[in-house]
Amino acid sequence: GQQLNQSPQSMFIQEGEDVSMNCTSSSIFNTWLWYKQDPGEGPVLLIALYKAGELTSNGRLTAQFGITRKDSFLNISASIPSDVGIYFCASNFGNEKLTFGTGTRLTIIP
Amino acid sequence: EAGVAQSPRYKIIEKRQSVAFWCNPISGHATLYWYQQILGQGPKLLIQFQNNGVVDDSQLPKDRFSAERLKGVDSTLKIQPAKLEDSAVYLCASSLNGQGAEKLFFGSGTQLSVL
Repeated sequence: GQQLNQSPQSMFIQEGEDVSMNCTSSSIFNTWLWYKQDPGEGPVLLIALYKAGELTSNGRLTAQFGITRKDSFLNISASIPSDVGIYFCASNFGNEKLTFGTGTRLTIIP
Repeated sequence: EAGVAQSPRYKIIEKRQSVAFWCNPISGHATLYWYQQILGQGPKLLIQFQNNGVVDDSQLPKDRFSAERLKGVDSTLKIQPAKLEDSAVYLCASSLNGQGAEKLFFGSGTQLSVL
């Protein structure tokens, strides 16, 4: 099946730093979604991208749908403690089911 | 608006035992999903219901897993008999119509440990 590879697998940063993570695939997708999962909870949708080249912001979060339709990145500016969690990209083609990436675990060092 | 409700939150069983999970989706959502999330991995779809019909169960291990959504509202997922590799978080999600990359709303999950 289709695979989404996320990098980095984990990040250790200090509060206030900017964060950048990405998601790549060998397949073309129609949609890129970014979810955040807090410990002991289900994923929550952060940003949805529907067009190649689209750049979308949600507060301190910015995500882009790659021109090749095979990748996407998520940036977080000025990180705060509540940004801690696991970030998943998810994508699909047409009406196929969503495929989730492997996740990037973000930890903030005090 | 009430979210997706799941129970129990945690379950510990021995291998070869049976277990069942329950999910109540957001009111009015036609589509219900069961995902399996193994530690360190992203969620993997097990089964998708549209109302009370199955849309996709291609990744459901049907020899031991079963799921139903008899009245098109709440759903149960059963494992019988459980294996060690079934240890995971089982997430239920719902969406309005199940079209393409429609927004999914997830429950908090049931964490299953098989000993």
